[in-house]
Amino acid sequence: SAVISQKPSRDICQRGTSLTIQCQVDSQVTMMFWYRQQPGQSLTLIATANQGSEATYESGFVIDKFPISRPNLTFSTLTVSNMSPEDSSIYLCSAAGLNTEAFFGQGTRLTVV
Amino acid sequence: AQTVTQSQPEMSVQEAETVTLSCTYDTSESDYYLFWYKQPPSRQMILVIRQEAYKQQNATENRFSVNFQKAAKSFSLKISDSQLGDAAMYFCAYLDSNYQLIWGAGTKLIIKP
Repeated sequence: SAVISQKPSRDICQRGTSLTIQCQVDSQVTMMFWYRQQPGQSLTLIATANQGSEATYESGFVIDKFPISRPNLTFSTLTVSNMSPEDSSIYLCSAAGLNTEAFFGQGTRLTVV
Repeated sequence: AQTVTQSQPEMSVQEAETVTLSCTYDTSESDYYLFWYKQPPSRQMILVIRQEAYKQQNATENRFSVNFQKAAKSFSLKISDSQLGDAAMYFCAYLDSNYQLIWGAGTKLIIKP
């Protein structure tokens, strides 16, 4: 199984600023994903982080707002840009290997004030 | 497109008793994977159990077992001898051919001492 370290675990940010969330996996993984989750609700996929190329975004999410990097097979970042209170949520990174099992980071609770 | 439905927003069970969480899904694929994930208040998403669609035998993991009915597209989770630590949100998920997880809305499980 893989262990994922996600930082920060929580942050309170001013509107108009940006926050970068980091996700480090302790082994090489094929797929990495970024999700958003409102408290008490299900997960919404933001994008698939592709190693060495641009991320693949889901409908409703754009690169200018949520730029993603994945420089190698063990690391990815998600930036929430020009934040507004509507961006307040929990952000989760996930990684999956060839055995299809997905592992998750501890999540980042973001509050925008 | 695949969909996953969890029709029980909340379930409660007495400690030490058995509870079953329901999940149905829709897909045209014949080979796929299904998962149950647990998310306690800590936000950490934890894999509870997985089922490969080509396997007729129901998966079991200690006190957790599934009732996988492929023809009915049903994938329920049974928790035996419920413990206080089982209290969490439980999500049913389907892995699609792009290795993306399709999530149900979740069921909040309450354990009564």
